[in-house]
Amino acid sequence: ETGVTQSPTHLIKTRGQQVTLRCSSQSGHNTVSWYQQALGQGPQFIFQYYREEENGRGNFPPRFSGLQFPNYSSELNVNALELDDSALYLCASRTKQGWNTEAFFGQGTRLTVV
Amino acid sequence: AQSVTQLGSHVSVSEGALVLLRCNYSSSVPPYLFWYVQYPNQGLQLLLKYTSAATLVKGINGFEAEFKKSETSFHLTKPSAHMSDAAEYFCAVMGVGGDYKLSFGAGTTVTVRA
Repeated sequence: ETGVTQSPTHLIKTRGQQVTLRCSSQSGHNTVSWYQQALGQGPQFIFQYYREEENGRGNFPPRFSGLQFPNYSSELNVNALELDDSALYLCASRTKQGWNTEAFFGQGTRLTVV
Repeated sequence: AQSVTQLGSHVSVSEGALVLLRCNYSSSVPPYLFWYVQYPNQGLQLLLKYTSAATLVKGINGFEAEFKKSETSFHLTKPSAHMSDAAEYFCAVMGVGGDYKLSFGAGTTVTVRA
């Protein structure tokens, strides 16, 4: 068990709505990344937070936004949901930035947009 | 930009047979490469990683991978498949920018026949 927990596990939203997904990082981890995994595809990097500041972003529009809190938990917010936003959303936490620190993944939140 | 390509979206093997999953990378600098496994309805678990210390990398659950610069490959193998190896496997490369993001391949689904 990695200690990274995500909530909720499943969610159904209507097109145009807004959604907030939550991630509780493993104890001591100050870096969290979010990934989107569409059905049948590999995860795609959305963004990363390090000590409450965004320090990297993938090719996602501004309606994807996030927060990291002082306890290093994190939120992913998506506005104006589109059908293509249906996917598994994964968060991953690390102790610090760097290539040699392992990223631990949560079990994901399955978002369905109808 | 770094990327990986996984050859073969599905692999079917008999129990006890060799498992071979192919991954080729594209990188202008020495890459950091990873293999992850994803079981149904779960997040990603790290199998092994290449960080230039040794070309043959041993991971968990009897898996290993060999880094071949001349072939730009990082194929994953296991000598003898077990039913519990049925899962989806992702090859990934880590970015060298400040965000250390992971770029994943499309994944290979492994089924194990009794």
